[in-house]
Amino acid sequence: KQEVTQIPAALSVPEGENLVLNCSFTDSAIYNLQWFRQDPGKGLTSLLLIQSSQREQTSGRLNASLDKSSGRSTLYIAASQPGDSATYLCAADSNYQLIWGAGTKLIIKP
Amino acid sequence: NAGVMQNPRHLVRRRGQEARLRCSPMKGHSHVYWYRQLPEEGLKFMVYLQKENIIDESGMPKERFSAEFPKEGPSILRIQQVVRGDSAAYFCASSTTGGSGNTIYFGEGSWLTVV
Repeated sequence: KQEVTQIPAALSVPEGENLVLNCSFTDSAIYNLQWFRQDPGKGLTSLLLIQSSQREQTSGRLNASLDKSSGRSTLYIAASQPGDSATYLCAADSNYQLIWGAGTKLIIKP
Repeated sequence: NAGVMQNPRHLVRRRGQEARLRCSPMKGHSHVYWYRQLPEEGLKFMVYLQKENIIDESGMPKERFSAEFPKEGPSILRIQQVVRGDSAAYFCASSTTGGSGNTIYFGEGSWLTVV
């Protein structure tokens, strides 16, 4: 049974810092891994999708990596801004169901 | 091309009432998925439907919950005799084809509050 864990549960850093969010999964037989952003009381914004055959994806200041053998994915945010404050969720695509981590709540202090 | 549309965005129901949540998939999408996000918890898969068929309802509570995706019209998630524990955000997603690896698109969610 696939389980997805995100560490840390919460993170607070000063503006301008680079940071890494971690996501681990127990079953390496995934089709892809996705990172989402969720603002309080809002819906889900898809950030990056990494197919199982890929190692990383980049979009602007965001870079996500995937290492299936170790069951890990990281989301790297460069030069963080207060507008990046949100909860970041990772989800593993296993047998058409997305299995979700509980999220990392990120606060960027001005 | 409008995205996945969910309504209502916010719904308040008293205990024992019924809640109906609607989801219109993106144009051309015939596969719909429902997820639930309980307060302070991650999202959990509920059900996967194709037009007029339930493909996988392994995440649906056994009682009071049902889902449909008729030939015409939106997908409906129905919760009968709601209880406080049903208070959550319910997200719908859609895709063009089924199976793993397909890009799915999420709606903005419906927030149910049971008082």
